[in-house]
This record gives sequence, C-alpha cells and structure tokens, in this order.
Amino acid sequence: DAGVTQSPTHLIKTRGQQVTLRCSPKSGHDTVSWYQQALGQGPQFIFQYYEEEERQRGNFPDRFSGHQFPNYSSELNVNALLLGDSALYLCASSRFGGAGGRNEQFFGPGTRLTVL
Amino acid sequence: GIQVEQSPPDLILQEGANSTLRCNFSDSVNNLQWFHQNPWGQLINLFYIPSGTKQNGRLSATTVATERYSLLYISSSQTTDSGVYFCAVRVASGTYKYIFGTGTRLKVLA
Repeated sequence: DAGVTQSPTHLIKTRGQQVTLRCSPKSGHDTVSWYQQALGQGPQFIFQYYEEEERQRGNFPDRFSGHQFPNYSSELNVNALLLGDSALYLCASSRFGGAGGRNEQFFGPGTRLTVL
Repeated sequence: GIQVEQSPPDLILQEGANSTLRCNFSDSVNNLQWFHQNPWGQLINLFYIPSGTKQNGRLSATTVATERYSLLYISSSQTTDSGVYFCAVRVASGTYKYIFGTGTRLKVLA
C-alpha cells in the first residue's frame, strides 16, 4: 500500500520565480491538505482540496494556489516567491469523513523549498 | 481561534527513562492526532485519539476531551525516539483544517 508521495524532495529557486509542488495521496484517500512548516515551527495549514475544489483556506496570500486532479493528486503553486517562503511543504491525505467525522491525516515526506 | 499548547517544550532523557508529553487545547475538538517528526522532516502517525486511551508498544496516549487535554506516554525510551512530537487538533465546528501544537523536542541520550 503506497503512502503519500511528494515531488520534488528539494528545490532551490530565486526571489520572484514561481514553483509547483506535487502530491499523490495514499490509496483510497480523496482529500489533500497542504501545510507550510518554517524552521523550528509547527506546520501551518495552507488549504484543503476535495472533489477538485478548494474546500478551506488558511491565512496565506493569493500567491499560494492549488489544484486537485480527478485521480485525487494535487499541486501547490507559489508565485512571486519571497525569501520568507523558504520552508518544508507537507502534503497530507485523508478520506473524507464529513464535517464532524473522522479525518485521520497521513503525511508525505515533504518538499524542502529554498528561496535565494 | 483555538490555541494548542504543548509541554514541556524541550526534554532530554537517558535511554530507558519514561516520559509524559502534554497537549492542551482551548476549544472542543472532534479529531486529535499525535505525530513524531524525525530529523528528516517526516511526520509519522502515532495515534488518532479524539477521546479515550490507546496503546501501541512502548507508546500510549490518553485524551480527556471534556477537560481539553491529551497525554502521550513514552516508556523505556530509545535513541530512535528523538525528534519533535506534535499534537494536532481539528475543532468540532465544521472546519476542515488541523491546528498543530507548539511541539515537544525530545532528545534521548545513549
């Protein structure tokens, strides 16, 4: 049973560039969430995708956008990169359990983005 | 928004020692998970425990939802237990996002 996979593992960009990160969920999962983890901090929720739509968004600017494909995989796009966007980007997948239901998340290994 | 505080922030143990990590949250939750983040950044699922008690080998966890806290017990610690432990909660009010706690950084010495 394949777990959550992410690509690439590492990425170096310069300020102002754009980046796309990819995530494939665990088999049987239909919901993908993205998190940003700065050095020394806990992960911060960026947004969640379900049925190819953004279902909820955290406190991140519009430079952060995403997409979910019919096979449930997802992309995170960040435009106009800033130095402060340097972080570990984590993807989590889960099976939709309703607004008040069970929603156990499983995380991928992450993509470490460095912005110079 | 909900506040999720973990204690202690840092912990150093000798191999073989036991420890208790605490997670306090300020609102009612319907989902709670404990994770271990290894030095490479991978978040490893330890427990899904919105209420009650669970055990898995040397680890066990208890969540008292009515009193808004959860505990993670590590017994007979090993050097491979080193890393950062996070609790993450989802508020019981229709939101879909998990909020992570402040983390406990554990170092186990041989």
